Amino acid sequence: AQTVTQSQPEMSVQEAETVTLSCTYDTSENNYYLFWYKQPPSRQMILVIRQEAYKQQNATENRFSVNFQKAAKSFSLKISDSQLGDTAMYFCAFHLRDNYGQNFVFGPGTRLSVLP
Amino acid sequence: DAGVIQSPRHEVTEMGQEVTLRCKPISGHNSLFWYRQTMMRGLELLIYFNNNVPIDDSGMPEDRFSAKMPNASFSTLKIQPSEPRDSAVYFCASSFLTGRFFGEGSRLTVL
Repeated sequence: AQTVTQSQPEMSVQEAETVTLSCTYDTSENNYYLFWYKQPPSRQMILVIRQEAYKQQNATENRFSVNFQKAAKSFSLKISDSQLGDTAMYFCAFHLRDNYGQNFVFGPGTRLSVLP
Repeated sequence: DAGVIQSPRHEVTEMGQEVTLRCKPISGHNSLFWYRQTMMRGLELLIYFNNNVPIDDSGMPEDRFSAKMPNASFSTLKIQPSEPRDSAVYFCASSFLTGRFFGEGSRLTVL
């Protein structure tokens, strides 16, 4: 079974600074996807960034980028130039490639507070 | 392109009443998922459908919960009778091959 660990329950960062959220996962499979979701106080779950395991290049979406270390099974999220609107819970998620889209595992989340 | 659409956004009801939550997935997505989120248990997968067929409902907590997907563009999650412990945010998500795209959630409060 796959597991996802986020070792930082809470973090804070000053506005305009950079912060890195950690995520590690455990799997014996080779074909999978990794995701970061953001859940602001509005409670909506927003897909932030996605990484395919077969791609060595780290995914980037504007101020959000990942450091994907497949051998170490690590998938950290870096937020550059933090903004107040980045305050949210951040969930790391693992998805095993299959036909139906099950085997989708969420980590416990990291609560990020961006301070003015 | 519209995302996953859920209704109602908020529902307050009394114990014993029937609650129906609705979801319209993203067009072209062939998998639909119902999640429940609470502070105590986090995100729980209740049931998912593939091509309108329920594949795994092992996450449905009790017989009071039921879900249907009569066609590719509509699904319902029904709770009958509702209980205070059902109070949570219920999310619908859809996907095609990979990724989960979530609706804005339905916040249910059962008094």
